[in-house]
Amino acid sequence: DGGITQSPKYLFRKEGQNVTLSCEQNLNHDAMYWYRQDPGQGLRLIYYSQIVNDFQKGDIAEGYSVSREKKESFPLTVTSAQKNPTAFYLCASSIKKAGGYTFGSGTRLTVV
Amino acid sequence: DAKTTQPNSMESNEEEPVHLPCNHSTISGTDYIHWYRQLPSQGPEYVIHGLTSNVNNRMASLAIAEDRKSSTLILHRATLRDAAVYYCILRPSDSGYALNFGKGTSLLVTP
Repeated sequence: DGGITQSPKYLFRKEGQNVTLSCEQNLNHDAMYWYRQDPGQGLRLIYYSQIVNDFQKGDIAEGYSVSREKKESFPLTVTSAQKNPTAFYLCASSIKKAGGYTFGSGTRLTVV
Repeated sequence: DAKTTQPNSMESNEEEPVHLPCNHSTISGTDYIHWYRQLPSQGPEYVIHGLTSNVNNRMASLAIAEDRKSSTLILHRATLRDAAVYYCILRPSDSGYALNFGKGTSLLVTP
Protein backbone atom coordinates (compact mmCIF):
# COMPACT_ATOMS: atom_id res chain seq x y z
CA ASP A 1 0.00 0.00 0.00
CA GLY A 2 1.18 3.50 -0.75
CA GLY A 3 1.88 5.78 2.15
CA ILE A 4 4.25 8.01 4.02
CA THR A 5 6.63 6.65 6.64
CA GLN A 6 8.27 8.56 9.45
CA SER A 7 10.95 7.05 11.60
CA PRO A 8 11.62 6.65 14.38
CA LYS A 9 8.33 7.04 16.26
CA TYR A 10 10.10 8.20 19.43
CA LEU A 11 13.52 9.84 19.61
CA PHE A 12 15.56 11.01 22.56
CA ARG A 13 18.60 13.22 22.24
CA LYS A 14 20.89 15.17 24.49
CA GLU A 15 20.86 18.93 24.33
CA GLY A 16 23.37 20.29 21.83
CA GLN A 17 23.22 17.33 19.47
CA ASN A 18 21.91 17.48 15.94
CA VAL A 19 19.29 14.88 15.04
CA THR A 20 17.78 13.85 11.69
CA LEU A 21 14.18 12.73 11.30
CA SER A 22 13.35 10.51 8.35
CA CYS A 23 10.37 10.90 6.00
CA GLU A 24 9.79 8.62 3.01
CA GLN A 25 6.78 8.42 0.68
CA ASN A 26 5.89 6.01 -2.12
CA LEU A 27 2.86 7.93 -3.36
CA ASN A 28 4.73 9.61 -6.21
CA HIS A 29 3.77 12.97 -4.72
CA ASP A 30 5.70 16.00 -5.88
CA ALA A 31 5.40 18.10 -2.73
CA MET A 32 6.52 17.31 0.80
CA TYR A 33 6.20 19.23 4.06
CA TRP A 34 7.43 19.28 7.64
CA TYR A 35 5.30 20.54 10.51
CA ARG A 36 5.89 20.89 14.22
CA GLN A 37 3.16 20.47 16.83
CA ASP A 38 3.42 21.45 20.49
CA PRO A 39 0.97 20.17 23.12
CA GLY A 40 -2.52 21.58 22.68
CA GLN A 41 -1.49 23.58 19.64
CA GLY A 42 -2.07 23.41 15.91
CA LEU A 43 0.57 22.53 13.34
CA ARG A 44 3.24 25.02 12.36
CA LEU A 45 5.07 24.79 9.04
CA ILE A 46 8.85 24.34 9.19
CA TYR A 47 9.89 23.68 5.58
CA TYR A 48 8.29 22.51 2.37
CA SER A 49 9.46 21.30 -1.00
CA GLN A 50 7.51 21.40 -4.24
CA ILE A 51 10.13 19.62 -6.33
CA VAL A 52 13.40 17.73 -6.02
CA ASN A 53 16.43 19.88 -5.13
CA ASP A 54 14.24 22.82 -4.12
CA PHE A 55 12.65 23.79 -0.81
CA GLN A 56 11.26 26.85 0.97
CA LYS A 57 11.24 28.01 4.56
CA GLY A 58 7.99 27.94 6.45
CA ASP A 59 6.98 30.00 9.46
CA ILE A 60 9.45 28.50 11.94
CA ALA A 61 12.50 27.39 9.92
CA GLU A 62 15.14 28.73 12.30
CA GLY A 63 17.21 25.92 13.81
CA TYR A 64 16.11 23.38 11.20
CA SER A 65 17.50 22.21 7.87
CA VAL A 66 16.19 19.94 5.11
CA SER A 67 17.27 18.33 1.86
CA ARG A 68 15.33 16.94 -1.10
CA GLU A 69 17.74 14.87 -3.15
CA LYS A 70 15.11 12.31 -4.11
CA LYS A 71 11.40 12.66 -4.80
CA GLU A 72 10.60 10.03 -2.20
CA SER A 73 12.62 11.45 0.68
CA PHE A 74 12.57 14.69 2.69
CA PRO A 75 14.69 14.37 5.87
CA LEU A 76 14.58 17.06 8.56
CA THR A 77 17.59 17.89 10.71
CA VAL A 78 16.96 19.54 14.05
CA THR A 79 20.15 21.41 14.84
CA SER A 80 21.58 22.53 18.16
CA ALA A 81 20.51 26.07 17.20
CA GLN A 82 16.85 25.16 17.72
CA LYS A 83 16.10 26.50 21.20
CA ASN A 84 13.09 24.33 22.05
CA PRO A 85 13.30 21.19 19.92
CA THR A 86 11.11 18.93 22.06
CA ALA A 87 7.90 18.50 20.03
CA PHE A 88 5.84 16.23 17.79
CA TYR A 89 7.09 16.40 14.19
CA LEU A 90 4.84 15.56 11.27
CA CYS A 91 5.76 15.00 7.64
CA ALA A 92 3.22 15.22 4.81
CA SER A 93 3.09 14.94 1.05
CA SER A 94 0.68 16.01 -1.69
CA ILE A 95 0.25 16.38 -5.40
CA LYS A 96 1.06 19.92 -6.42
CA LYS A 97 -2.28 21.26 -7.44
CA ALA A 98 -4.76 21.76 -4.59
CA GLY A 99 -4.86 18.10 -3.60
CA GLY A 100 -5.28 16.70 -0.14
CA TYR A 101 -2.30 15.99 2.09
CA THR A 102 -1.21 12.57 3.32
CA PHE A 103 0.47 12.70 6.72
CA GLY A 104 2.88 10.35 8.37
CA SER A 105 2.30 9.09 11.88
CA GLY A 106 4.82 11.50 13.35
CA THR A 107 8.04 11.45 15.36
CA ARG A 108 8.00 12.56 18.97
CA LEU A 109 11.36 14.15 19.75
CA THR A 110 12.46 14.69 23.33
CA VAL A 111 15.64 16.59 24.06
CA VAL A 112 17.04 16.21 27.56
CA ASP B 1 -3.14 34.35 3.85
CA ALA B 2 -6.87 33.96 4.25
CA LYS B 3 -7.71 32.71 7.73
CA THR B 4 -10.42 30.52 9.19
CA THR B 5 -12.29 30.75 12.50
CA GLN B 6 -13.58 27.67 14.30
CA PRO B 7 -15.00 27.09 17.78
CA ASN B 8 -12.43 25.73 20.20
CA SER B 9 -14.56 22.75 21.17
CA MET B 10 -17.88 21.03 20.54
CA GLU B 11 -19.67 18.10 22.08
CA SER B 12 -21.99 15.56 20.53
CA ASN B 13 -23.84 12.44 21.53
CA GLU B 14 -23.01 9.19 19.84
CA GLU B 15 -25.10 8.33 16.77
CA GLU B 16 -26.31 11.90 16.37
CA PRO B 17 -25.32 14.21 13.49
CA VAL B 18 -22.58 16.76 14.11
CA HIS B 19 -22.24 20.09 12.34
CA LEU B 20 -18.79 21.65 12.65
CA PRO B 21 -18.77 25.30 11.51
CA CYS B 22 -15.97 27.28 9.92
CA ASN B 23 -15.91 30.96 9.01
CA HIS B 24 -13.61 32.21 6.27
CA SER B 25 -14.84 35.67 5.39
CA THR B 26 -11.64 36.65 3.51
CA ILE B 27 -11.66 33.64 1.21
CA SER B 28 -10.57 34.31 -2.36
CA GLY B 29 -12.19 32.91 -5.47
CA THR B 30 -9.45 30.32 -6.01
CA ASP B 31 -9.21 29.02 -2.44
CA TYR B 32 -10.25 25.44 -1.82
CA ILE B 33 -11.78 24.60 1.58
CA HIS B 34 -10.06 21.60 3.16
CA TRP B 35 -10.98 19.66 6.29
CA TYR B 36 -8.65 17.39 8.22
CA ARG B 37 -8.98 15.63 11.54
CA GLN B 38 -6.37 14.53 14.02
CA LEU B 39 -6.71 11.80 16.62
CA PRO B 40 -4.47 11.99 19.70
CA SER B 41 -0.81 11.26 19.00
CA GLN B 42 -1.45 10.69 15.29
CA GLY B 43 -0.90 12.66 12.12
CA PRO B 44 -3.86 14.54 10.64
CA GLU B 45 -6.13 12.66 8.28
CA TYR B 46 -7.70 14.19 5.18
CA VAL B 47 -11.49 14.31 5.43
CA ILE B 48 -12.89 16.28 2.52
CA HIS B 49 -12.39 19.36 0.39
CA GLY B 50 -14.45 21.54 -1.93
CA LEU B 51 -14.50 24.77 -3.90
CA THR B 52 -18.05 25.97 -4.43
CA SER B 53 -20.49 23.07 -4.47
CA ASN B 54 -21.40 20.81 -1.57
CA VAL B 55 -19.37 17.63 -1.46
CA ASN B 56 -20.03 14.17 -0.05
CA ASN B 57 -17.75 11.24 0.59
CA ARG B 58 -17.80 8.14 2.77
CA MET B 59 -16.50 10.05 5.78
CA ALA B 60 -18.51 13.26 5.77
CA SER B 61 -20.32 15.99 3.86
CA LEU B 62 -19.15 19.52 3.25
CA ALA B 63 -21.74 22.26 2.95
CA ILE B 64 -20.42 25.52 1.51
CA ALA B 65 -22.37 28.76 1.86
CA GLU B 66 -23.41 30.47 -1.35
CA ASP B 67 -21.09 33.42 -0.68
CA ARG B 68 -18.33 30.95 0.35
CA LYS B 69 -17.65 32.90 3.53
CA SER B 70 -18.47 29.93 5.70
CA SER B 71 -18.70 26.17 5.51
CA THR B 72 -19.89 23.28 7.65
CA LEU B 73 -18.47 19.81 8.00
CA ILE B 74 -21.25 17.33 8.65
CA LEU B 75 -20.71 13.97 10.29
CA HIS B 76 -23.99 12.18 9.75
CA ARG B 77 -23.80 9.80 12.72
CA ALA B 78 -21.06 10.50 15.22
CA THR B 79 -19.20 7.55 16.69
CA LEU B 80 -16.69 7.47 19.52
CA ARG B 81 -13.96 7.10 16.88
CA ASP B 82 -14.89 10.52 15.50
CA ALA B 83 -13.59 12.22 18.63
CA ALA B 84 -10.70 14.29 17.29
CA VAL B 85 -9.50 17.78 16.49
CA TYR B 86 -11.02 19.00 13.22
CA TYR B 87 -9.16 21.56 11.14
CA CYS B 88 -10.73 23.80 8.49
CA ILE B 89 -8.08 25.17 6.13
CA LEU B 90 -8.03 27.25 2.98
CA ARG B 91 -5.70 26.18 0.22
CA PRO B 92 -5.09 28.35 -2.84
CA SER B 93 -5.28 26.46 -6.09
CA ASP B 94 -1.83 27.74 -7.01
CA SER B 95 0.66 24.99 -6.28
CA GLY B 96 3.11 27.24 -4.46
CA TYR B 97 1.37 27.18 -1.08
CA ALA B 98 1.46 24.97 1.99
CA LEU B 99 -1.48 24.43 4.32
CA ASN B 100 -1.68 26.65 7.39
CA PHE B 101 -3.24 24.84 10.33
CA GLY B 102 -4.91 26.73 13.17
CA LYS B 103 -5.97 25.17 16.47
CA GLY B 104 -9.10 23.54 15.05
CA THR B 105 -12.19 22.32 16.89
CA SER B 106 -11.86 19.60 19.48
CA LEU B 107 -14.89 17.31 19.14
CA LEU B 108 -15.96 15.29 22.14
CA VAL B 109 -18.36 12.42 21.48
CA THR B 110 -20.19 10.97 24.46
CA PRO B 111 -21.93 7.59 24.61
